[in-house]
Amino acid sequence: EAGVAQSPRYKIIEKRQSVAFWCNPISGHATLYWYQQILGQGPKLLIQFQNNGVVDDSQLPKDRFSAERLKGVDSTLKIQPAKLEDSAVYLCASSLRIRTDRSNEQYFGPGTRLTVT
Amino acid sequence: AQTVTQSQPEMSVQEAETVTLSCTYDTSESDYYLFWYKQPPSRQMILVIRQEAYKQQNATENRFSVNFQKAAKSFSLKISDSQLGDAAMYFCAYRPETGANNLFFGTGTRLTVIP
Repeated sequence: EAGVAQSPRYKIIEKRQSVAFWCNPISGHATLYWYQQILGQGPKLLIQFQNNGVVDDSQLPKDRFSAERLKGVDSTLKIQPAKLEDSAVYLCASSLRIRTDRSNEQYFGPGTRLTVT
Repeated sequence: AQTVTQSQPEMSVQEAETVTLSCTYDTSESDYYLFWYKQPPSRQMILVIRQEAYKQQNATENRFSVNFQKAAKSFSLKISDSQLGDAAMYFCAYRPETGANNLFFGTGTRLTVIP
């Protein structure tokens, strides 16, 4: 079974530029998550999708961040314009469904390391 | 609000020895899940072990076991017979029983294994 795929693995941009990250979840997983992991901290949830609908985006800075999952499979996270404090690892995860039960484990991708200069 | 605290930024252990990583959490819920994740330099988060709060028995997975103290809101991870491949960041995480499948992470403990 293929895991969660993310690209690119690394990205360096200047502040005020735009950037986009791509995530392909495990086949058949209805729920997709984007996390932001700042150096020295644990991951923090940015947005959660159930199929192509948003479940929770309360922690997403909506003035500069946007995300979509148009066909309920792949997802794109965009930052426009980027700030220095956006430097972080952006992790994508997926799970079978949204219900919190034992078997509904989140599987993580390798992440994208973003550096904003 | 749920908070997860890992008070040990760094730990080290001799190969083949045992090490314990600490985690405390704060919640008003009675039912929830607790996890330990491993994050090697490749950055991919790997689930090490999970514990359901309604279970009194501590979870074990091969060389990994937990000490779950619900009243004290403590959830420590014990790694026995440490191996070089255990070196990584370890994150404690909390997930509520109800609602969306959100994970709340601590700040992590960097584990070094000394040959």
